[in-house]
Amino acid sequence: QKEVEQNSGPLSVPEGAIASLNCTYSDRGSQSFFWYRQYSGKSPELIMSIYSNGDKEDGRFTAQLNKASQYVSLLIRDSQPSDSATYLCAVKGDDKIIFGKGTRLHILP
Amino acid sequence: GAVVSQHPSRVICKSGTSVKIECRSLDFQATTMFWYRQFPKQSLMLMATSNEGSKATYEQGVEKDKFLINHASLTLSTLTVTSAHPEDSSFYICSALQGPPNQPQHFGDGTRLSIL
Repeated sequence: QKEVEQNSGPLSVPEGAIASLNCTYSDRGSQSFFWYRQYSGKSPELIMSIYSNGDKEDGRFTAQLNKASQYVSLLIRDSQPSDSATYLCAVKGDDKIIFGKGTRLHILP
Repeated sequence: GAVVSQHPSRVICKSGTSVKIECRSLDFQATTMFWYRQFPKQSLMLMATSNEGSKATYEQGVEKDKFLINHASLTLSTLTVTSAHPEDSSFYICSALQGPPNQPQHFGDGTRLSIL
């Protein structure tokens, strides 16, 4: 069974600090990796896509992928209270996309 | 770009009613759309994958006769919850795939269904 694992949290981070969210996956053939943000009562919103090893930066967000370790992470710099949400890691190989259960992030003002 | 519209956003109805939810890709053609259900404080659960012009593929444990999916065009998929009961109350979310399979899914705003 293909799995995507995330720590459920909550992860509490002071405002202005770096929030680090981690995700591991079981399917070594996975090729596409995504991070979604989901506010309570809302639907998921795409934040980042990453397809190759290394870092990809977009504003305050950096996605990191290490296929050898089957590990993908999301860093949020200068964390803001508005970043408080559940972050979903999603992984796709040849088959359907698989979502992790999400990590709840709480930014402390 | 990549806007997915879902309607209605909220439905409250009596037990036994059938409810139709629409999912539209507004600025792209979506050959594949997905329907998810999410209970409070739980993770997304994929219900079915919908391909334009063909029958939907349902996940294990999802009743295809209860959750009717139609994907008649490249921009519209509908989910009909037939004879809904209180246990069907949930947050239903559609998503659409833009472009090749390795691209991300884009989600609609979801429909909160409450069956009395």
